[in-house]
Amino acid sequence: KAGVTQTPRYLIKTRGQQVTLSCSPISGHRSVSWYQQTPGQGLQFLFEYFSETQRNKGNFPGRFSGRQFSNSRSEMNVSTLELGDSALYLCASSGGASVSETQYFGPGTRLLVL
Amino acid sequence: GENVEQHPSTLSVQEGDSAVIKCTYSDSASNYFPWYKQELGKGPQLIIDIRSNVGEKKDQRIAVTLNKTAKHFSLHITETQPEDSAVYFCAALSGRDDKIIFGKGTRLHILP
Repeated sequence: KAGVTQTPRYLIKTRGQQVTLSCSPISGHRSVSWYQQTPGQGLQFLFEYFSETQRNKGNFPGRFSGRQFSNSRSEMNVSTLELGDSALYLCASSGGASVSETQYFGPGTRLLVL
Repeated sequence: GENVEQHPSTLSVQEGDSAVIKCTYSDSASNYFPWYKQELGKGPQLIIDIRSNVGEKKDQRIAVTLNKTAKHFSLHITETQPEDSAVYFCAALSGRDDKIIFGKGTRLHILP
């Protein structure tokens, strides 16, 4: 079974631009969570989608948004990029209805904002 | 909100020795505690997890212990090998809002 895939793997943007990141979960998984990883703050939860509905949300500004499609693929969007948005963005999928089911992480998208 | 503290931030052990990483959590309603290993250029990978209804779980060289009263849990790696070098994260599932909160990570170095 293929693992979680994320595209693109690397991205360079400038302040004020917007960016869309994509995540394809493991086949059959319906839950997708997004995390931001930085050296200073570690891994921080952004949001979780299950069956196309946002089920949970972290403490990030409204510039961060996401969605999930009927095939469980998910995208996250960051508008009006700031320098502090530079980070590794990870998505994780799980098969169950609860986040206490094992989460499988993708390799991440490394975003650099200049 | 829920907070997870992880110590130490860096740990160096001789190959063959044991490594112990400790975490504490603040939400007494937390009931699920996974541990992840992250290698360079990769996403975190679950290595072991424990639920609040057990005190210890073991999988070959890896074990996790949970003390609910003290609200702390620990990862034990025995007979360490070079491939154990990585960053390890503990996490706790908040019982209040169903979010997984991560510790800041421990960089483990296995010395030859």
